[in-house]
Formats: sequence, C-alpha cells, structure tokens
Amino acid sequence: ETGVTQTPRHLVMGMTNKKSLKCEQHLGHNAMYWYKQSAKKPLELMFVYSLEERVENNSVPSRFSPECPNSSHLFLHLHTLQPEDSALYLCASSQGTGLSSEQFFGPGTRLTVL
Amino acid sequence: GQQLNQSPQSMFIQEGEDVSMNCTSSSIFNTWLWYKQDPGEGPVLLIALYKAGELTSNGRLTAQFGITRKDSFLNISASIPSDVGIYFCAGLPLGGSNYKLTFGKGTLLTVNP
Repeated sequence: ETGVTQTPRHLVMGMTNKKSLKCEQHLGHNAMYWYKQSAKKPLELMFVYSLEERVENNSVPSRFSPECPNSSHLFLHLHTLQPEDSALYLCASSQGTGLSSEQFFGPGTRLTVL
Repeated sequence: GQQLNQSPQSMFIQEGEDVSMNCTSSSIFNTWLWYKQDPGEGPVLLIALYKAGELTSNGRLTAQFGITRKDSFLNISASIPSDVGIYFCAGLPLGGSNYKLTFGKGTLLTVNP
C-alpha cells in the first residue's frame, strides 16, 4: 500500500476546461509538494506546503492553483491550460521541511491537454 | 539556477553485469540523493548522502558523495531484471532551502535477462 495516493491517474482535458488533481497522504506528514515531470527534463518543483501554509511557489503560472485544506490533502486546480502543460504531475509529502526529511512520492497523474 | 548533469542518459546491459552512473554539478551540494522510478509510479528514495566522502550501501547499491561536493555516483552490482527503471540523482544546493531538491534528467536502465 502506498502512503501517498493521487487521483485521477490519467486525465485528458481541453484548454478551456477546469479540472482538479487530488493528493492524499496517509503518513502523518506535515509538508506536501507538487512536482511537474516532463519527458527528458528534470523534475520541477511547483509548490510546497508546510503545516497547510504555502512556503514555495516556484514561478508557476496562475493557471495552476494549489489548495491545501489540511495536512493530509493537497489539490491542484487547473484552468485554461496549454498543450505544453501536458506532463506527469507528482505529489510528495515529508515529515517536515528539514535537511533529512525524506520526500515520499505518489504515483502521479498523467495529464494530457488537447 | 543549479543544474545536475546526469550520465549516461540510458544503459542497456545484460543480467549480472555491474552498472555505474553519476551526477556532476558546477555548484556545491550539501546533500545527494538517488531515486528509482518504475513505470507508472513515483520516484522512490534508494540512498541519501549527507557528508562529503560518504560511501553508503543499500543491498547491491552503493553510492558516494564526492569529496568536492560537486558530484555523486551510484553503482549497482550483479544487476537483475527488476533493476529496470529510471534512476535520478537529486541534491540540495549549498545555501538553498532544505526541501528544494534539484534533480538530474535521469538514467534509463534496461536489463536483458
């Protein structure tokens, strides 16, 4: 059983659609992350939440809107995306944001924007 | 920003062979991590290194934190088919946030039974 779950696993949407990605962690962690993984590019950190407060917004366009209602759940709201936003979106969680706080990743949502 | 150069990009080997991959940077890192990603899954941490010169093993895997703090390598001995996947190096740059990992582009490993 994975400690970090993501839904949906696959999503196809048009550029005018609004959709949301959901992440849930069952590890009792208090930090959560959104990453973007594109082919042949390094993982890109998008957002970080610690104790439900956003501590990092890594120059992400406003068409991506994160929400962290509690320490176990993280959402990524999507609207008016572009085809180049197609990628694997990974959620991760960690016990804290300290130096040795291991990040545990979910399986990702494969997003295709038409 | 900091970049990690990971090589090789891909490897195709026979079962039983040893494998070596590495990451280099022009900047100093104070933590090096090695992850493996299986198809359809997220990355899983294999080995974490926190001290220059540190050599750490995890079963058939061995990784080292370079003495210059600008590189790290991962070795896999006696490869088996389940070693197939993408291996990523990641690091925390000196002076950066403790959670803001920089990732390499990955090494795709294929093991021929």
